[in-house]
Amino acid sequence: DTGVSQDPRHKITKRGQNVTFRCDPISEHNRLYWYRQTLGQGPEFLTYFQNEAQLEKSRLLSDRFSAERPKGSFSTLEIQRTEQGDSAMYLCASSVGDLGTDTQYFGPGTRLTVL
Amino acid sequence: AQTVTQSQPEMSVQEAETVTLSCTYDTSESDYYLFWYKQPPSRQMILVIRQEAYKQQNATENRFSVNFQKAAKSFSLKISDSQLGDAAMYFCANRGSNYQLIWGAGTKLIIKP
Repeated sequence: DTGVSQDPRHKITKRGQNVTFRCDPISEHNRLYWYRQTLGQGPEFLTYFQNEAQLEKSRLLSDRFSAERPKGSFSTLEIQRTEQGDSAMYLCASSVGDLGTDTQYFGPGTRLTVL
Repeated sequence: AQTVTQSQPEMSVQEAETVTLSCTYDTSESDYYLFWYKQPPSRQMILVIRQEAYKQQNATENRFSVNFQKAAKSFSLKISDSQLGDAAMYFCANRGSNYQLIWGAGTKLIIKP
């Protein structure tokens, strides 16, 4: 069990460019979550998957954002036409179990800076 | 809608002493779960402790314990015998039936040597 990993750890891009982040959950975890965290704030929920199905999306997830989890393992989060307001830490978490036992384990995050 | 409020942006405590971090929440769900996570500087979010709302007994994990007041919708974290390694941002979070976590804004904990 190597924990949740995210790649890249840091990304600097120019406004208008597209970026893609990857998250590898803990193996056998069937749920995967994406959160966004801006400086000095708590994370905000973006979306989550159960296996390969995207079950819930926040209204924060505009049409420039898309997430996939094609085989129920790793996930990607793509942001198209980035804006300066997209600058944030993007956190991925994974979990397994029913509501009573489910605990989310977090990766180190990808820090995005949009110039 | 679910909300979580942490009213203390920053707290400081002398090493080896006890500190309590406050959290209040609002939810319409009858069955929910509460969490405290710790985020050290430039490091990842780590679960500190969790509490099931249907359990009256307060959760404890070594030096960490909670005071869960369901009627008051209050969920405070007590850290005993504070250590330098406890310095971090602490986030309170609530989770209902939809699995997503709703987070507070965090409390920065400073440990004075």
